[in-house]
Amino acid sequence: AQTVTQSQPEMSVQEAETVTLSCTYDTSESNYYLFWYKQPPSRQMILVIRQEAYKQQNATENRFSVNFQKAAKSFSLKISDSQLGDTAMYFCASPGAQKLVFGQGTRLTINP
Amino acid sequence: KAGVTQTPRYLIKTRGQQVTLSCSPISGHRSVSWYQQTPGQGLQFLFEYFSETQRNKGNFPGRFSGRQFSNSRSEMNVSTLELGDSALYLCASSLEGADRRGSYEQYFGPGTRLTVT
Repeated sequence: AQTVTQSQPEMSVQEAETVTLSCTYDTSESNYYLFWYKQPPSRQMILVIRQEAYKQQNATENRFSVNFQKAAKSFSLKISDSQLGDTAMYFCASPGAQKLVFGQGTRLTINP
Repeated sequence: KAGVTQTPRYLIKTRGQQVTLSCSPISGHRSVSWYQQTPGQGLQFLFEYFSETQRNKGNFPGRFSGRQFSNSRSEMNVSTLELGDSALYLCASSLEGADRRGSYEQYFGPGTRLTVT
């Protein structure tokens, strides 16, 4: 069964710092997509960034970027210049057999 | 476009009762997936519906069921509620549904918080 592992249950950084959230996954597909979702305390899950596995270039969305290592099946999320509004649960997701498989999440707290 | 909506947002039920949750996907989306989120188990996949057909099902007992209507709206039903069913139930819609590559992004609703007493 496909698995997604987020090894950091909780992280805490100061505002304006850079933070990296780790994720490893397992898939037998050669071409696929990976996702990072953010779930703020209000509970609405929001897509942060998406990476296409066949693309060499790491995806970037404003302050959010990924470090995608296909051979290592590693997909980490970097948040630059962190803001208080970045406080949330972050979930990494990988495709399974016709479903998305989510990691257990990392609770990120940005401190003023 | 309006986002994914779920009703009700909060629900309190007693053990043994049944409950129906509703999800309206983004207009034009044909796939609806349901997830159960608990602090201990994280996000667990319940099932996915695409064009009124259940295409995939997670490892949940038969007390959990669902359906999808011709307008893509979906309902999930939990019968004979147990204390362990207390959770946040999330629904997500996507244009074409889940595939082995994860080609289509899923958009989540705000969830229904179910408390079973």
